[in-house]
Amino acid sequence: AQSVSQHNHHVILSEAASLELGCNYSYGGTVNLFWYVQYPGQHLQLLLKYFSGDPLVKGIKGFEAEFIKSKFSFNLRKPSVQWSDTAEYFCAVIPPAGFQKLVFGTGTRLLVSP
Amino acid sequence: DTGVSQDPRHKITKRGQNVTFRCDPISEHNRLYWYRQTLGQGPEFLTYFQNEAQLEKSRLLSDRFSAERPKGSFSTLEIQRTEQGDSAMYLCASSRRTSGIVEQFFGPGTRLTVL
Repeated sequence: AQSVSQHNHHVILSEAASLELGCNYSYGGTVNLFWYVQYPGQHLQLLLKYFSGDPLVKGIKGFEAEFIKSKFSFNLRKPSVQWSDTAEYFCAVIPPAGFQKLVFGTGTRLLVSP
Repeated sequence: DTGVSQDPRHKITKRGQNVTFRCDPISEHNRLYWYRQTLGQGPEFLTYFQNEAQLEKSRLLSDRFSAERPKGSFSTLEIQRTEQGDSAMYLCASSRRTSGIVEQFFGPGTRLTVL
């Protein structure tokens, strides 16, 4: 079945470490790509999005993601994490002809230790 | 606060009872979405409204589920004859109308527990 895969379910890092979270999707054609974050006790918020153009997308709080079409990937990166980045991160896709519906990955729980 | 609001935030019910949740989108947004999130999973799409028209329904939305958006503003999601498998977080999101793709803004969710 067509889907969105996040390979890391739990990640533990120390502050100042670099972060890369993987996201792969299995849809052909034109897709729209998103990373959402859910901080403890809060609702889902958009970190960044890719629709077209420059495949390197910059989002809020120093996050960026790179769309690699040939690899069907949209990995999230941050050069130096902070304790406040502790959250759950979701990759999501609007597939071709998806009528605006988001298809989410299973999420990655990130714990940053001070 | 002008974000998406949902009510109630928590609902505990007994199996077989009916429950109804409400979502108030951001005021100028005419698109409204319902998602369901179970433990350890990402949100799964349930249904989508543009104004008052329900344009798409997931096969996850069994005949026990019904959603309405009667005046194109707030929406309700009703679950009849609840089952333990319905226990989940029910999320509402909204977005503004455009010819392209835009961000969906999520509410805090309603956590349903079916005993």
